[in-house]
Amino acid sequence: QQQVKQSPQSLIVQKGGISIINCAYENTAFDYFPWYQQFPGKGPALLIAIRPDVSEKKEGRFTISFNKSAKQFSLHIMDSQPGDSATYFCAALKETSGSRLTFGEGTQLTVNP
Amino acid sequence: NAGVTQTPKFRVLKTGQSMTLLCAQDMNHEYMYWYRQDPGMGLRLIHYSVGEGTTAKGEVPDGYNVSRLKKQNFLLGLESAAPSQTSVYFCASRALALAGELFFGEGSRLTVL
Repeated sequence: QQQVKQSPQSLIVQKGGISIINCAYENTAFDYFPWYQQFPGKGPALLIAIRPDVSEKKEGRFTISFNKSAKQFSLHIMDSQPGDSATYFCAALKETSGSRLTFGEGTQLTVNP
Repeated sequence: NAGVTQTPKFRVLKTGQSMTLLCAQDMNHEYMYWYRQDPGMGLRLIHYSVGEGTTAKGEVPDGYNVSRLKKQNFLLGLESAAPSQTSVYFCASRALALAGELFFGEGSRLTVL
């Protein structure tokens, strides 16, 4: 059962454009929503995360928007750069002891120069 | 600081052969995980451990076994490899208090012929 659904599967953006990746979740008990970034040949690494008590979190060019009522959250990459080309995973969990992250399917982002 | 180290990085097996993937972390993390990554399917949890001497099944445990005899090491074994186990395997670890922040190794690419 896929509890976190991510779209699109792949995305091509021109340099300077905005990249938007969307995720939807089913379990209303989730209370922590991280995004992971994975470069080719590397393992995923935590990029940015949000809790549902806020609707938006921004770190540099990366912003998470969160819509609790719709059970959706998205990653926006402003002024996208070729160095942002990577696979992005959204994830969710309930922060209790022993809880495990549930990952989305991943989005392969390509930023053309 | 090495973080999470996986060995080997690449391996080719014939159907029916056995092998062990080793994961070592130097961050004194309690939790350790083994994931497999396949195109379009995201990261799927195979097995995990919440501490030395403990293991538990994840989403896709069939065909795999694990052991955590030492806190810093988490071994993933394939007793009789099958072509369906061709994948990239990632080990991850996390601290007890930070449920959403996983630290990943660089992956082990396994091909089963």
